[in-house]
Amino acid sequence: AQSVSQHNHHVILSEAASLELGCNYSYGGTVNLFWYVQYPGQHLQLLLKYFSGDPLVKGIKGFEAEFIKSKFSFNLRKPSVQWSDTAEYFCAVRHVSGTYKYIFGTGTRLKVLA
Amino acid sequence: SAVISQKPSRDICQRGTSLTIQCQVDSQVTMMFWYRQQPGQSLTLIATANQGSEATYESGFVIDKFPISRPNLTFSTLTVSNMSPEDSSIYLCSATGSGANVLTFGAGSRLTVL
Repeated sequence: AQSVSQHNHHVILSEAASLELGCNYSYGGTVNLFWYVQYPGQHLQLLLKYFSGDPLVKGIKGFEAEFIKSKFSFNLRKPSVQWSDTAEYFCAVRHVSGTYKYIFGTGTRLKVLA
Repeated sequence: SAVISQKPSRDICQRGTSLTIQCQVDSQVTMMFWYRQQPGQSLTLIATANQGSEATYESGFVIDKFPISRPNLTFSTLTVSNMSPEDSSIYLCSATGSGANVLTFGAGSRLTVL
């Protein structure tokens, strides 16, 4: 079955540290890729997305992600995190065929220490 | 992107009862989905709500337990039937607009079953 794996469940960083959250998916077909963020007490919001073209995509708040097709990966990065980045981050994959379902990873809870 | 409103935002229910969650979108959308987010876990797709026809359920979810309606392009309901404590979760309505291919979420309905 298709799946999305996020290897880091909990991450604690100090402000200004660099961030990289891993995401791998298991699906051989064409996919769209997403990162969503859920700040405390808020609903899920889109952080960035990849549909095609340049595999390095930039999103809001200084986040970026790189699609590496050969590794089935879509890792999220930020060079310098802020306290306000404390949130839960979800990677998601959408199949570009068939049912067009979105499959989510298990999420990574990030805590940034001031 | 579409704005999604869900109600109730939270509820506490007794075992054996049923609760219907309503989802209203402020614009016509192509696809609507219902997800469940159990404590400490990721989002699990329950079903795709199809306008004017029966919902398409994912493995492990059945219509008798989670009946879904979608009478038009902007409204859907999810009923959690004969509830047990294991149904305690956040239930999320989501939708994609025409051509947008980006999933937008409501704030969720937090359900506690005693």
